[in-house]
Amino acid sequence: VQLVESGGGLVKPGGSLRLSCAASGFAFSDFYMNWIRQAPGKGLEWVSYISPSSKTIYYPDSIKGRFTISRDNAKNSLYLQMNNLGAEDTAVYYCARDRPINSVFDYWGQGALVTVSS
Amino acid sequence: DIQMTQSPSTLSASVGDRVTITCRASQTISTWLAWYQQKPGKAPKLLIYRASSLESGVPSRFSGSGSGTEFTLTISSLQPDDFATYYCQQYNSYRTFGQGTKVEMK
Repeated sequence: VQLVESGGGLVKPGGSLRLSCAASGFAFSDFYMNWIRQAPGKGLEWVSYISPSSKTIYYPDSIKGRFTISRDNAKNSLYLQMNNLGAEDTAVYYCARDRPINSVFDYWGQGALVTVSS
Repeated sequence: DIQMTQSPSTLSASVGDRVTITCRASQTISTWLAWYQQKPGKAPKLLIYRASSLESGVPSRFSGSGSGTEFTLTISSLQPDDFATYYCQQYNSYRTFGQGTKVEMK
């Protein structure tokens, strides 16, 4: 199992960024997938999840309306579109696989750093 | 939303010590709780799921217990590789992490 994030970088406040996560080594289309972030020196914050068919998507209230999770099962890829970014969104963003039945994060990517600064 | 509170925030210990970290949920979560270990610059690693089930490949010195709202992670004999930050995470209702407990060298 391998998860590789890309698309991180420096963006100005109010700007947008799209993260990607390339999955390999497992049947991507069978698994819920997640984005989790970690601000510098801070704890982990769950950002979103998406079901295998994309029919079920969830965001916590702190994220709702600005971020959009999506997936392309044909490309074994997960995405996070982030709009209207603020300094509080500066973080390492991880994609993580959800284990079926026990919905724990059993595999994680290495993370992509997003820095929001003018 | 379910809130998760870990204690202590920082724990100073020596190699060989028995270490216990507590995690409390703001409402009952049955045993839908996981523990992760994170080292600086690395992604978290799953240690325990369903409150007390040891993830494959994780040393048996790690154990978890609890149900309802109170949970513990115990390291029976702390090893040099165990100095890290530990997070609990509930998955009874969506997902929430605790704020983390840093285990540092005394």
